[in-house]
Amino acid sequence: GEDVEQSLFLSVREGDSSVINCTYTDSSSTYLYWYKQEPGAGLQLLTYIFSNMDMKQDQRLTVLLNKKDKHLSLRIADTQTGDSAIYFCAEWGNTPLVFGKGTRLSVIA
Amino acid sequence: SQTIHQWPATLVQPVGSPLSLECTVEGTSNPNLYWYRQAAGRGLQLLFYSVGIGQISSEVPQNLSASRPQDRQFILSSKKLLLSDSGFYLCAWSPSSDPQWAFFGQGTRLTVV
Repeated sequence: GEDVEQSLFLSVREGDSSVINCTYTDSSSTYLYWYKQEPGAGLQLLTYIFSNMDMKQDQRLTVLLNKKDKHLSLRIADTQTGDSAIYFCAEWGNTPLVFGKGTRLSVIA
Repeated sequence: SQTIHQWPATLVQPVGSPLSLECTVEGTSNPNLYWYRQAAGRGLQLLFYSVGIGQISSEVPQNLSASRPQDRQFILSSKKLLLSDSGFYLCAWSPSSDPQWAFFGQGTRLTVV
């Protein structure tokens, strides 16, 4: 079945850039997403990219997609303490949303 | 606008007790509905999804069941809880016309003791 992998932890200093990486296996994925989960809360859709795109930029967020390698990344510029959260990579392909295990981003002031 | 409600927010239940978690969506009709579970170290796992009343697809065989008695109501149940049922349960909905856009509730933290 489909699988989404991402590293579990990332720690960065405030003001630096954060890069969260993700790999997926479903070559039929049409949409790829990044969700953000703050402590004790549900998931918030942060951004997404359609499978025929290589890059998408939205303010401080940049999503890069390498469809050949099935690799997705999320770059957060000028990371702030409010960006501390768990970030989930997800894909939509043949089945409803499949998520990775989430990357816990810790921002050090 | 559409909203999704989940309750309760937290729940502590003894092993062997029954479970009923409820999710309702407002402001839309015929949504696709989903139950996910987030367990420690295991990420978000799709448990059930439904594309219509009485239509339930199970992704993972387990101690849980789901029902959709009304168009915008999705219920997660268990007859006898296990310790391994502990986790954070998230309900989500997506428009049937654009099922790739999912919106999540605030979740229920279930602790089985």
